[in-house]
Amino acid sequence: SQTIHQWPATLVQPVGSPLSLECTVEGTSNPNLYWYRQAAGRGLQLLFYSVGIGQISSEVPQNLSASRPQDRQFILSSKKLLLSDSGFYLCAWSRKQGAQGLAGSWETQYFGPGTRLLVL
Amino acid sequence: GESVGLHLPTLSVQEGDNSIINCAYSNSASDYFIWYKQESGKGPQFIIDIRSNMDKRQGQRVTVLLNKTVKHLSLQIAATQPGDSAVYFCAENMGAGNTPLVFGKGTRLSVIA
Repeated sequence: SQTIHQWPATLVQPVGSPLSLECTVEGTSNPNLYWYRQAAGRGLQLLFYSVGIGQISSEVPQNLSASRPQDRQFILSSKKLLLSDSGFYLCAWSRKQGAQGLAGSWETQYFGPGTRLLVL
Repeated sequence: GESVGLHLPTLSVQEGDNSIINCAYSNSASDYFIWYKQESGKGPQFIIDIRSNMDKRQGQRVTVLLNKTVKHLSLQIAATQPGDSAVYFCAENMGAGNTPLVFGKGTRLSVIA
């Protein structure tokens, strides 16, 4: 079965410090990968998505960046955190259209447990 | 989108009653829809999905209804339990390959014991 991991689970960082959040997927290959941010009591904001190694699409211009150095690894980074970067960060994966051998619809996105980031 | 910044609407339901959560979707070309449940401090979890060639699909205690004429999706939860308290999101796939789902703004379901 497929599993998605995120770490750390919780992070408290000072303003101006760098950030690196990691997401990895197991049990599948060549997934589509996504980063979302969720402010407290709010909806899901898509930040980045990737259809392959080194391929990143940015949905919202900001001081965050994403990288996909390996097939099943997605990293969210920042060089200098802002107070407004606080939130709940969620990674998700989905399989490619036409991918075989997995149950369920290819369009379904599966979410990780999230990282709660507090910038002080 | 603009819905991301809005506080979530809340639905309060008595334990044992049925819950109905509604969602209006945006694109008439969308052909696949999903409901997610997000408990506090956790990532959203898949509940049930439906394709545009169907108007109803049932799961365990949940039913999804799709009305393509008015672009409306609903999630019905039978005999609501305290464990159903969560935020529920609808999502649509706009029919293009390998593109992200578009999520609704979410509804907070609060079950009164």
